[in-house]
Amino acid sequence: ERMLTQSPATLSVSPGETVTFSCRASQTISRNLAWYQQKPGQPPRFLISGASTRATGVPAKFSGSGSGTEFTLTIDSLQSEDFAVYFCQQYHIWPHTFGQGTKLEI
Amino acid sequence: VQLVESGGGLEQPGGSLRLSCVASGFTFSHYAMSWVRQGPGKGLEWVSGISGNGGLTFYADSVKGRFIISRDNSDNTLYLQIRSLRDEDTAIYYCAKQSDYNYGPFDYWGQGALVTVSS
Repeated sequence: ERMLTQSPATLSVSPGETVTFSCRASQTISRNLAWYQQKPGQPPRFLISGASTRATGVPAKFSGSGSGTEFTLTIDSLQSEDFAVYFCQQYHIWPHTFGQGTKLEI
Repeated sequence: VQLVESGGGLEQPGGSLRLSCVASGFTFSHYAMSWVRQGPGKGLEWVSGISGNGGLTFYADSVKGRFIISRDNSDNTLYLQIRSLRDEDTAIYYCAKQSDYNYGPFDYWGQGALVTVSS
């Protein structure tokens, strides 16, 4: 099983800033990594696949990078609607595990 | 694309229930599907997945032997049979469409079905 570790658990930033999240895999997952955003009371929203390919309708302010075991998600010019919990997930091998999430708060 | 879960509710420990997820807006049999759960105040936990034709099934260790995933491609419906319910199975259960036939990221999600296990 590929374990994913996200850091930090919580990130406090101000609107307008740029933030970067980290996701580390216990073994290589090539570029088979996705990112999701979840707001309270809502299902997760698919943001990025293949480590860096934005899903349809996802603005360019969201960007992903990495391969192998180290991955990052960057969000530029934070707005109020960006404050949420962000999860990474590997789909390189079953089980398709999730990271524990990073909460982005104001 | 629309995914609508049903079948959740309040159940006693040791009981059973079956969740359903009706899919529309895409060719259901062409895509793998999964169930993901989220306990109160917790993160996402992938629970089970199934390939497009139902020939391959996968389970998290935490549910292996108690959960059974299946699909009816003629009815565009995904199922999750849950047996021997435990307190720790209390969660919102999401149905998710994957982007490929056998695996892939979860590009669409349902609104979730709440399962509460309590005596």
